[in-house]
Amino acid sequence: KAGVTQTPRYLIKTRGQQVTLSCSPISGHRSVSWYQQTPGQGLQFLFEYFSETQRNKGNFPGRFSGRQFSNSRSEMNVSTLELGDSALYLCASSVGHSGRYEQYFGPGTRLTVT
Amino acid sequence: DAKTTQPNSMESNEEEPVHLPCNHSTISGTDYIHWYRQLPSQGPEYVIHGLTSNVNNRMASLAIAEDRKSSTLILHRATLRDAAVYYCIPPIQGAQKLVFGQGTRLTINP
Repeated sequence: KAGVTQTPRYLIKTRGQQVTLSCSPISGHRSVSWYQQTPGQGLQFLFEYFSETQRNKGNFPGRFSGRQFSNSRSEMNVSTLELGDSALYLCASSVGHSGRYEQYFGPGTRLTVT
Repeated sequence: DAKTTQPNSMESNEEEPVHLPCNHSTISGTDYIHWYRQLPSQGPEYVIHGLTSNVNNRMASLAIAEDRKSSTLILHRATLRDAAVYYCIPPIQGAQKLVFGQGTRLTINP
């Protein structure tokens, strides 16, 4: 069974731009969660989607948004990029909500904002 | 959010058992306690999760205190590939999400 895939793997953007990251979950998984990982803050929860509905949201500004499609693939968007948005963005999928079922993580997208 | 306390780092030798402790005395949810690990330059990897009693799988064992205020991840025979940051994640009442702390950096000596 193919694992979680994320595209692109690396991205360099300029402050003020926007970016869209993509995540394809494991086949059959309906829940997709997004996390931001930085050396200073560690792994922080962004949001979780289940069957195209956002179930949970972390403490991030409205510049961070996401969506999930009917095939469970998910995208997250960051608008008006700031230098502090430079991070590894991780996507994870599971059969049900993340508090109850094991999550499988993708390799991440490394975003650098200059 | 619930406060989780784990040692910043631990060290062990190859082929020896490792006990990774976690204190989550402010646990508020009744849902599962999860453990994940993150190997260098990789995304986190699920290790094990449990509710109230001890759990075993091919990777590890999880011992959960009767009051659920602490848990211990047990690697029965550590290998070099087990060197990683281990995260203990207790549930949060009303919040169905995983909140990662700083974790324990485990070093395995050959």
